[in-house]
Amino acid sequence: AQSVTQPDIHITVSEGASLELRCNYSYGATPYLFWYVQSPGQGLQLLLKYFSGDTLVQGIKGFEAEFKRSQSSFNLRKPSVHWSDAAEYFCAVGPFGNEKLTFGTGTRLTIIP
Amino acid sequence: DGGITQSPKYLFRKEGQNVTLSCEQNLNHDAMYWYRQDPGQGLRLIYYSQIVNDFQKGDIAEGYSVSREKKESFPLTVTSAQKNPTAFYLCASGLTGTEYFGPGTRLTVT
Repeated sequence: AQSVTQPDIHITVSEGASLELRCNYSYGATPYLFWYVQSPGQGLQLLLKYFSGDTLVQGIKGFEAEFKRSQSSFNLRKPSVHWSDAAEYFCAVGPFGNEKLTFGTGTRLTIIP
Repeated sequence: DGGITQSPKYLFRKEGQNVTLSCEQNLNHDAMYWYRQDPGQGLRLIYYSQIVNDFQKGDIAEGYSVSREKKESFPLTVTSAQKNPTAFYLCASGLTGTEYFGPGTRLTVT
């Protein structure tokens, strides 16, 4: 069975500092990996996705993620966070072409001045 | 502008009543999905449809029903059989996976 673990429930980062959100997955074949962001009371917005090719994926809003097969990880990074990045972030995994994604429980990001 | 719309944003119902949540998309996507989100949990898939007139159960389909009579529309009915219907419901669509989400409907059942 596929699963996703986001080990950090809540992270606090100073504005301008770098960010890394962790995501570990369990999947039996080549995974299709996603990162989404959700503002309070809103739907999710896709930040980036990975299926194959370059293991470093660039997304919107200055985010990037690196796929490490040996570590079963797909961590999300940003070199310098802005106050507007405060939100909840979800990692998801599934097979390409099949819509049954499994989501992690999310990491809530707080930005302090 | 293309996108997904869900209505209403907030919905209140009495226990024992069925309620239907609307989801419409103009992205020309074949695949549409319904997820449920509860505090502290990730999204859980209720139903999904990859083509008109066809849909599949997700992980938590009990107490829910859907229809897919048009490509643009994928309404979700929360029936009285759903034990804990109060939640945030999200509709999504995509070409290769769940790519676009609607703004969600918060359902409260008392």
